[in-house]
Amino acid sequence: DQQVKQNSPSLSVQEGRISILNCDYTNSMFDYFLWYKKYPAEGPTFLISISSIKDKNEDGRFTVFLNKSAKHLSLHIVPSQPGDSAVYFCAAIRSSNTGKLIFGQGTTLQVKP
Amino acid sequence: DGGITQSPKYLFRKEGQNVTLSCEQNLNHDAMYWYRQDPGQGLRLIYYSQIVNDFQKGDIAEGYSVSREKKESFPLTVTSAQKNPTAFYLCASSIDRYGKTDTQYFGPGTRLTVL
Repeated sequence: DQQVKQNSPSLSVQEGRISILNCDYTNSMFDYFLWYKKYPAEGPTFLISISSIKDKNEDGRFTVFLNKSAKHLSLHIVPSQPGDSAVYFCAAIRSSNTGKLIFGQGTTLQVKP
Repeated sequence: DGGITQSPKYLFRKEGQNVTLSCEQNLNHDAMYWYRQDPGQGLRLIYYSQIVNDFQKGDIAEGYSVSREKKESFPLTVTSAQKNPTAFYLCASSIDRYGKTDTQYFGPGTRLTVL
């Protein structure tokens, strides 16, 4: 039972353009969502998060959008840079379910120079 | 210079042997976690601990054991009972042990290969 899904295993964009990574979830009890970036053979790095009371959170080139009715969130990277090439994981948590982050399968982003 | 350290980076073991993976943090975080990552999959939770001398099973705890004798340390033992131990193991910690807005920060990982 995959509660958090990233249906696109990979995405390729040109440098300078927008990258949009998508994530869907099934559990309406999730109330906090996070995006992590991961390079091969390294631990994930926290990027940005959003609470379910918001529909948008922005941090520099990264913006996360949350559509609760559709149980969908997306990460926008503008402009994309070659250094953004990595695997991106979305994760969700239910505040009452202590510590149990549920991760999606990841999307590999390639930004071409 | 705070962070989470995992050692070793690469680990090889023979089938049937137990092996212990180290995780240390100096962030003064209450909660610590162990995940496993397999190719093409997301991270799956093995064990987590919200406080010293207490820990809980995650989704895939079978074949693993942990201890939390100190706040900064959360070692994971992969026992011979774990059927598919070859994987990338990640340790994480978070400041808020009650899980609310629980941003977890990860170590660099240990790649375990069973020969």
